[in-house]
Amino acid sequence: AQKITQTQPGMFVQEKEAVTLDCTYDTSDPSYGLFWYKQPSSGEMIFLIYQGSYDQQNATEGRYSLNFQKARKSANLVISASQLGDSAMYFCAMSPSGGYQKVTFGIGTKLQVIP
Amino acid sequence: NAGVMQNPRHLVRRRGQEARLRCSPMKGHSHVYWYRQLPEEGLKFMVYLQKENIIDESGMPKERFSAEFPKEGPSILRIQQVVRGDSAAYFCASSPPPGTGAGTEAFFGQGTRLTVV
Repeated sequence: AQKITQTQPGMFVQEKEAVTLDCTYDTSDPSYGLFWYKQPSSGEMIFLIYQGSYDQQNATEGRYSLNFQKARKSANLVISASQLGDSAMYFCAMSPSGGYQKVTFGIGTKLQVIP
Repeated sequence: NAGVMQNPRHLVRRRGQEARLRCSPMKGHSHVYWYRQLPEEGLKFMVYLQKENIIDESGMPKERFSAEFPKEGPSILRIQQVVRGDSAAYFCASSPPPGTGAGTEAFFGQGTRLTVV
């Protein structure tokens, strides 16, 4: 079974500052994928970034980067240069690799960007 | 992602009625997944379907809930005799068959918000 833990129910960040959203995971699968999704107040789920467990380098997508520390089983999301539009719920998630996308989600972190 | 279409976006049902939620996957995707998001919670896996085949329904409640993905047409999540506790956002996601795509993400629809009154 897979488990995702997000321990920060809410976070505040000043506009233009960087922020790190924590995520730890637990799995017995030898390979897996880690995701971050953004859910704004409008409700849709927006894919942000993906990290494969055997990827050598940390994933980056624009202002998003995933700080993957396999030994610690952590997959923190770093958002650089925060913008007001970044205010949303952020969910960390994981799935077994190999294309089967039964995704396990954490409970989310609510990020609020302050002007 | 905009490619996965769910309708309706909002659905109101009285207790005891049936709710039908539809999901059309992205073009070229033959795998569909349904998730439920209760208020203030993350998404919980319900069921994984291929065309005409249920692969994994380990997250589906044992009663009143069913899902299908026919050869033609959208995937349907059906909830019979709805109760207040069924009020939630229901998300559909799709992906290409295993081994054919990057396998890096499932694309989500915008969700259907079911309210039971």
